[in-house]
Amino acid sequence: DAGVIQSPRHEVTEMGQEVTLRCKPISGHDYLFWYRQTMMRGLELLIYFNNNVPIDDSGMPEDRFSAKMPNASFSTLKIQPSEPRDSAVYFCASSLQNTEAFFGQGTRLTVV
Amino acid sequence: GIQVEQSPPDLILQEGANSTLRCNFSDSVNNLQWFHQNPWGQLINLFYIPSGTKQNGRLSATTVATERYSLLYISSSQTTDSGVYFCAVNPPTGANNLFFGTGTRLTVIP
Repeated sequence: DAGVIQSPRHEVTEMGQEVTLRCKPISGHDYLFWYRQTMMRGLELLIYFNNNVPIDDSGMPEDRFSAKMPNASFSTLKIQPSEPRDSAVYFCASSLQNTEAFFGQGTRLTVV
Repeated sequence: GIQVEQSPPDLILQEGANSTLRCNFSDSVNNLQWFHQNPWGQLINLFYIPSGTKQNGRLSATTVATERYSLLYISSSQTTDSGVYFCAVNPPTGANNLFFGTGTRLTVIP
């Protein structure tokens, strides 16, 4: 398996624009997680899905953030409108129940 | 939520030296993982170790779940070991999400 695949690797956008981050989990994994990493807050969970259903979105910072998982092999994290404080590295991870989680290479987002 | 504390926050080693990194957690956990974030930002799985001891080459880890801590040992350190080491835990609430510590930044100098 190629592991968790995220795209794009880098994204630079202007404030107010819509940003969509994409993730393909490891085939067969039924949990998918979105994390954000910043210098100030470290690695924090935004939302996670089980069998394509959002289970806990309490980490999503505000209504500008939304996440979907239309099928078992694809998820998106959307920010609309983006703001400079959204600049961070966004990681996607996947796992089976109570097993090791594997992370993608991350998307480095810069909002100017 | 569960609190995860790592120590030391920063560590500088001469190549060839050994080190021990510590992870304390505030509640019982289902799972514990150690990651290495390399200078390119990639999170690399080191160990999945909810309890007991595991070894992989120059690295080994021990988790004592009853006392709520885990240790990561690095022996004969190399410059490629530089980066940030994270401990992450799953609370026993049925949720599968990981709570991360703040990491230990390791710098190995030649």
